[in-house]
Amino acid sequence: DAGVIQSPRHEVTEMGQEVTLRCKPISGHDYLFWYRQTMMRGLELLIYFNNNVPIDDSGMPEDRFSAKMPNASFSTLKIQPSEPRDSAVYFCASSSPPGTSGIYEQFFGPGTRLTVL
Amino acid sequence: AQSVTQLGSHVSVSEGALVLLRCNYSSSVPPYLFWYVQYPNQGLQLLLKYTSAATLVKGINGFEAEFKKSETSFHLTKPSAHMSDAAEYFCAVSASGTYKYIFGTGTRLKVLA
Repeated sequence: DAGVIQSPRHEVTEMGQEVTLRCKPISGHDYLFWYRQTMMRGLELLIYFNNNVPIDDSGMPEDRFSAKMPNASFSTLKIQPSEPRDSAVYFCASSSPPGTSGIYEQFFGPGTRLTVL
Repeated sequence: AQSVTQLGSHVSVSEGALVLLRCNYSSSVPPYLFWYVQYPNQGLQLLLKYTSAATLVKGINGFEAEFKKSETSFHLTKPSAHMSDAAEYFCAVSASGTYKYIFGTGTRLKVLA
């Protein structure tokens, strides 16, 4: 399996522009997570989906951020309008159901490094 | 509530020396504990996980960690550091049946020749 795929790997944009980050989870995983990593705040969970349905978006910083999962193999994280403080690395992770172990073992993509000028 | 504390944001060791990265956790329920490694410009890769089956957990690349309930610790060790071990290491905690991982702030390991 190719693992979790994210695109683009790097994005540089100007303040006010719309940014769309993309993620393809591992086939068969029905949990998908979006994280943001910054020096100041470390790794933060933004939102997670189960079977394409958003379950917990309490980590989404504000209304400028939105996420969708139109099907089991694709998710997007959109920022509109973008601001310099959104500059960070955004990770997507996926997981299969925990089963009897109770563990959601998360597999991370390589991340998208976003720079907003 | 759960939390993770990683002591030392930067650790330097000589090649061939013991690696010890510290992680202390707080959890009101039996925890699941993880160590992830992040190489430059890459995503997080699972090194090992503690699921209550055994207190000493062996992972990839020669790393291991020991769960000590009395000390609420899950320190990561490797007997002999290799240059390729230079990376950032994250400890994380979750609880059974929950998706939410609480990550530590990370420890950047530098290996000196």
